[in-house]
Amino acid sequence: DAGVTQSPTHLIKTRGQQVTLRCSPKSGHDTVSWYQQALGQGPQFIFQYYEEEERQRGNFPDRFSGHQFPNYSSELNVNALLLGDSALYLCASSIRQGSDGYTFGSGTRLTVV
Amino acid sequence: GQQVMQIPQYQHVQEGEDFTTYCNSSTTLSNIQWYKQRPGGHPVFLIQLVKSGEVKKQKRLTFQFGEAKKNSSLHITATQTTDVGTYFCAGRKSSASKIIFGSGTRLSIRP
Repeated sequence: DAGVTQSPTHLIKTRGQQVTLRCSPKSGHDTVSWYQQALGQGPQFIFQYYEEEERQRGNFPDRFSGHQFPNYSSELNVNALLLGDSALYLCASSIRQGSDGYTFGSGTRLTVV
Repeated sequence: GQQVMQIPQYQHVQEGEDFTTYCNSSTTLSNIQWYKQRPGGHPVFLIQLVKSGEVKKQKRLTFQFGEAKKNSSLHITATQTTDVGTYFCAGRKSSASKIIFGSGTRLSIRP
């Protein structure tokens, strides 16, 4: 039973570029949440997708957008990259009405230069 | 907005000593979860507490949820080197709302 899969694992981009990160949730999970984790900090909530719609959003600018596909997989897009966007981006899947915690992927380490 | 704070930020203990991290929310929570993140790894779900005053144990780990459902603690008895990592609490205001993570407590251990 596959857990949460994220790709790519590492990425280096230049300021101003755009990036797309991908996530496949754990089998049986229908909800995907994205988090940004800076070094030494706790994960910061970006947004959550359920039934292909953004359901909740954290304090992130519109440069951060996402999508969820019919197979529950998800993408995180970041436009006009800034140096401050360098972080570990974590995808977490869960069951919408479930009582268990989130299952996290190993993350994508994004470096903006 | 909702904030979840954790103390201490760091804790360095001798192997065999106990360890406690405390979590406080600015708002009443529906439930609270605890995660462990090993160095270089990703958060791994440990447990969820739902009821006021709830206490749960996992081997040497004891988790408590405050009576007012605004604070929580994690206590590790007789730490081992395998306990090294950062422990995060994460709270949600309702069953379907987003989970907000605390800043974490990083535990390091002297063998």
